[in-house]
Amino acid sequence: AQSVTQLDSQVPVFEEAPVELRCNYSSSVSVYLFWYVQYPNQGLQLLLKYLSGSTLVKGINGFEAEFNKSQTSFHLRKPSVHISDTAEYFCAALPNFGNEKLTFGTGTRLTIIP
Amino acid sequence: SAVISQKPSRDICQRGTSLTIQCQVDSQVTMMFWYRQQPGQSLTLIATANQGSEATYESGFVIDKFPISRPNLTFSTLTVSNMSPEDSSIYLCSVGSTGAGYTFGSGTRLTVV
Repeated sequence: AQSVTQLDSQVPVFEEAPVELRCNYSSSVSVYLFWYVQYPNQGLQLLLKYLSGSTLVKGINGFEAEFNKSQTSFHLRKPSVHISDTAEYFCAALPNFGNEKLTFGTGTRLTIIP
Repeated sequence: SAVISQKPSRDICQRGTSLTIQCQVDSQVTMMFWYRQQPGQSLTLIATANQGSEATYESGFVIDKFPISRPNLTFSTLTVSNMSPEDSSIYLCSVGSTGAGYTFGSGTRLTVV
């Protein structure tokens, strides 16, 4: 089984400042990793995913994430945030065989301060 | 990626009643997933629904409380039965695959009073 930990439940950031949202995973097998965003009163939208290959993954809205196998991390970054980035961000893991069940972290609420 | 239409988007229900949530996908998919997101919490998988077979429920969820139908490859329903205030949550359906990623419906915000 796998688990996903998002240590920061809330992250306030000034507009145009950089941000990093942390995600660590634990698994006995290799996993695929995802970041989702949930805007207020909406469903989840896929930001980016890591399946294999380059450890730096670029997603939508200027976000990127880096897979670090040795540190079992998949942190999400954006160099300059905007008010519209205010949302809940979820990291998720999926074992790379069979059982297609996503395991989600507890989420990080990103608040952009004007 | 697939597009999911989920309804209703929200509802307020009396305790003891049932609500059926529908998800329609614009393409045929093998598996559909149903999640619950309790207030201020992450997503928890309720069950996986395959067409032509009974849904597979996760620990803590039972068919009597959350019956699921999957009549074809583009549609599924989740019923929340005999509701109590503790069932107040957002319910989401999802489809997808590892390579394409997983798409989620916009969610059903349920309040039980």
